[in-house]
Amino acid sequence: EVQLVESGGGLVQPGGSLRLSCAASGLTFSSYWMSWVRQAPGKGLEWVANIKQDGSEKYYVDSVRGRFTISRDNAKNSVYLQMNSLRAEDTAVYYCARDNAYTRDYWGQGTLVTVSS
Amino acid sequence: QSALTQPASVSGSRGQSITISCTGTSRDIGGYNYVSWYQQHPGKAPKLIIYDVSNRPSGVSSRFSGSKSGNTASLTISGLRAEDETDYYCSSYSSTSTHWMFGGGTKLTVL
Repeated sequence: EVQLVESGGGLVQPGGSLRLSCAASGLTFSSYWMSWVRQAPGKGLEWVANIKQDGSEKYYVDSVRGRFTISRDNAKNSVYLQMNSLRAEDTAVYYCARDNAYTRDYWGQGTLVTVSS
Repeated sequence: QSALTQPASVSGSRGQSITISCTGTSRDIGGYNYVSWYQQHPGKAPKLIIYDVSNRPSGVSSRFSGSKSGNTASLTISGLRAEDETDYYCSSYSSTSTHWMFGGGTKLTVL
């Protein structure tokens, strides 16, 4: 059974940093692209970033490019999202998801990031 | 980049069928057969119910079906049940700098 477990969320002040982690199990982690998707309170889903199997390609939504960095450690079956220069509009539940071809087929339960003073 | 356009809400009676539309452009829905649909219950993670326009993952009910015409994709739910009452999101690959687009979500009410 595929399981994705996010951690690292919390309350951070505007301009601060946070690093999210996602631990994967039940899959050959190194065979898949992985994504981060977020959902602001009461709002819809927004794709944030994804990373290729070997980490050689990374893509970001325009609103986070230059502030967020996605990375992975295949030895630890984990994907990360380093978030810097956080803004109030980054407040959201952040989900990690497995990219399977052209869809996201497995999702974690999410971790809440709140940016507020 | 604007999200894909979905109706904010739809409703239908138990046992009936409903269709949720998702409108994009030629740079996303119209240009690729990479449309997915997700079901999300409150406080839960999204669940994939349709991928590549019309394919169902293993374990997803055949009451859920997907299609596409031009720049608009559609999700049809037949034989509505009370447990279908929740939020639905479409998603598509995009050739813009935002590689993956989502719709704004549609709240389904089962009467």
